[in-house]
Amino acid sequence: DAGVTQSPTHLIKTRGQHVTLRCSPISGHKSVSWYQQVLGQGPQFIFQYYEKEERGRGNFPDRFSARQFPNYSSELNVNALLLGDSALYLCASSYTGTPNEQFFGPGTRLTVL
Amino acid sequence: RKEVEQDPGPFNVPEGATVAFNCTYSNSASQSFFWYRQDCRKEPKLLMSVYSSGNEDGRFTAQLNRASQYISLLIRDSKLSDSATYLCVVLPMLSSGSARQLTFGSGTQLTVLP
Repeated sequence: DAGVTQSPTHLIKTRGQHVTLRCSPISGHKSVSWYQQVLGQGPQFIFQYYEKEERGRGNFPDRFSARQFPNYSSELNVNALLLGDSALYLCASSYTGTPNEQFFGPGTRLTVL
Repeated sequence: RKEVEQDPGPFNVPEGATVAFNCTYSNSASQSFFWYRQDCRKEPKLLMSVYSSGNEDGRFTAQLNRASQYISLLIRDSKLSDSATYLCVVLPMLSSGSARQLTFGSGTQLTVLP
């Protein structure tokens, strides 16, 4: 079975632009969580979606938004990009919303110039 | 104070050595604990859960001290393939209106040298 997939793999944007990152969970998994990992730090929680509803949000500004589709795939949107948004964006899926059963995707590496 | 604190390292050890990583957490109501492994430019992968009684998986031993809010990971007989960043992860107790979310430390970098 395929694991969690994310696209694109890499992305380069300039300040002020908008970006959309995509995630497809493991087949049968209904929960998707998004994390931001800045170089040298551990991943930081951004959002969790379960059954297409937002279950939680981390300490991120309103420039960050997300949604989950009927097929349980998810998008993370970031508006008005800042240099500090440069990071590895990780998506993790689980069957239920239980974080300790999450499986991570390979991530999207975003560089903001 | 960070919710989960780890010694960032780096730890450079020879093959066959025993190495220990430590981690402290600030939320005394935390209920689940894990060690994740992250290879360079890859995603984190669960290495092992940490139980109050301590647990072992081959060359890896994890221990939890709830009173001291302290977690450890011991790697015996280090292999070259153990080179990675080890992330201490805590799952806080659910509070009203908050999602249960993994809280990661910054990671400890290990390099096993031939």
